[in-house]
Amino acid sequence: NAGVMQNPRHLVRRRGQEARLRCSPMKGHSHVYWYRQLPEEGLKFMVYLQKENIIDESGMPKERFSAEFPKEGPSILRIQQVVRGDSAAYFCASSPPIWTASSYEQYFGPGTRLTVT
Amino acid sequence: GENVEQHPSTLSVQEGDSAVIKCTYSDSASNYFPWYKQELGKRPQLIIDIRSNVGEKKDQRIAVTLNKTAKHFSLHITETQPEDSAVYFCAASMEGYSTLTFGKGTMLLVSP
Repeated sequence: NAGVMQNPRHLVRRRGQEARLRCSPMKGHSHVYWYRQLPEEGLKFMVYLQKENIIDESGMPKERFSAEFPKEGPSILRIQQVVRGDSAAYFCASSPPIWTASSYEQYFGPGTRLTVT
Repeated sequence: GENVEQHPSTLSVQEGDSAVIKCTYSDSASNYFPWYKQELGKRPQLIIDIRSNVGEKKDQRIAVTLNKTAKHFSLHITETQPEDSAVYFCAASMEGYSTLTFGKGTMLLVSP
């Protein structure tokens, strides 16, 4: 059973470009969370999605950031017109279905390290 | 919203010693408290968690205690080994598809 997959692992963008980060949850998981980690900081929640639905986007900036989790394919976090302050590691996590005993456990992917030059 | 404070920010111990990391949380509705270990450049890995219906949970050299009245929980690592060196994060949430609020992390260094 493959773990949470993220790609790309490293992404370099110039200011003003768009960044697209992809996350494939663990097999059987239908809930995805995105977190951002700045250097020497903890992880900050951004958005929580299930298939075709945004459940909670309270941690995501209103401007330039969007996320989706389509019926088919990975979840995508999109950052438009990137700025230097967007440089960070972006992690996604997934969790098992609600009817399982471990539905509250979140398993993380390897992260995408975004560098804006 | 929930706020999680974590102490200390760095902790240095000798191999074989015990290490204790403490966290406090603000939202009394939180009832799930996981701990993650993150090695440099790697993903956070869930190492142990506790739910509010228990006060202590142990897994080999790792234990977590929870005091709901005082709203704090702690990670205890006994017989530390150099491979325990990493950043440890505590977190809090409500069970059932809820977002995690993380502490800022503790960098644990175990010297041989």
